[in-house]
Amino acid sequence: EVQLLESGGGLVQPGGSLRVSCAASGFTFSSHAMSWVRQAPGKGLEWVSAIRGSGGSTYYADSVKGRFTISRDDSRNTLYLQMNNLRAEDTAVYYCAKPQSPTTVTTFVYWGQGTLVTVSS
Amino acid sequence: AIQMTQSPSSLSASVGDRVTITCRASQDIRNDLGWYQQKPGKAPKLLIYAASTLQSGVPSRFSGSGSGTDFTLTISSLQPEDFATYYCLQDYNFPQTFGQGTKVEIK
Repeated sequence: EVQLLESGGGLVQPGGSLRVSCAASGFTFSSHAMSWVRQAPGKGLEWVSAIRGSGGSTYYADSVKGRFTISRDDSRNTLYLQMNNLRAEDTAVYYCAKPQSPTTVTTFVYWGQGTLVTVSS
Repeated sequence: AIQMTQSPSSLSASVGDRVTITCRASQDIRNDLGWYQQKPGKAPKLLIYAASTLQSGVPSRFSGSGSGTDFTLTISSLQPEDFATYYCLQDYNFPQTFGQGTKVEIK
């Protein structure tokens, strides 16, 4: 059974940094692309970032480019999102998401439960 | 980035109604579009991918159509469990972009 478990969310001051993680199980993690999607309180979904399998290419939304870094540790079956220079508008629930097939980067079939990041002084 | 314009932003409907939600892309995205359902406090759920392919386990009352720039999600007979917010997502290129969402409420 595929499981995605996010962690690392919390309260951080504007300008601060935070790293959220997504522990994966139930599939061959290294073969699959993984993504982060976020949702601000009461707002819609926003795609944030993606990384191809085995540490391949990375992609970012314009709103986070230069501030966020996606990475993965295939030995630990874990996806990361390092968030620097955080702003109030980064406040959101952050979901990790996975496509069904190793051959696709998108089409998110599996989702974690999300971790809340709050940027406030 | 490709802009996805979804309409309506909300609608009220009754059980048994036929519901249609549309999504328009700012450029041709072939059929690289998915539809997701989200209920409060829950992660989104994939309903349709490649514009018209029903995800395994999703009821057949859900259907998708369209290609190029104009896409439609149809619920043929709305059920109580279908009251939720629906989003389209283009995966033609990066950055991927969601529509603004359509909240389907009980009339």
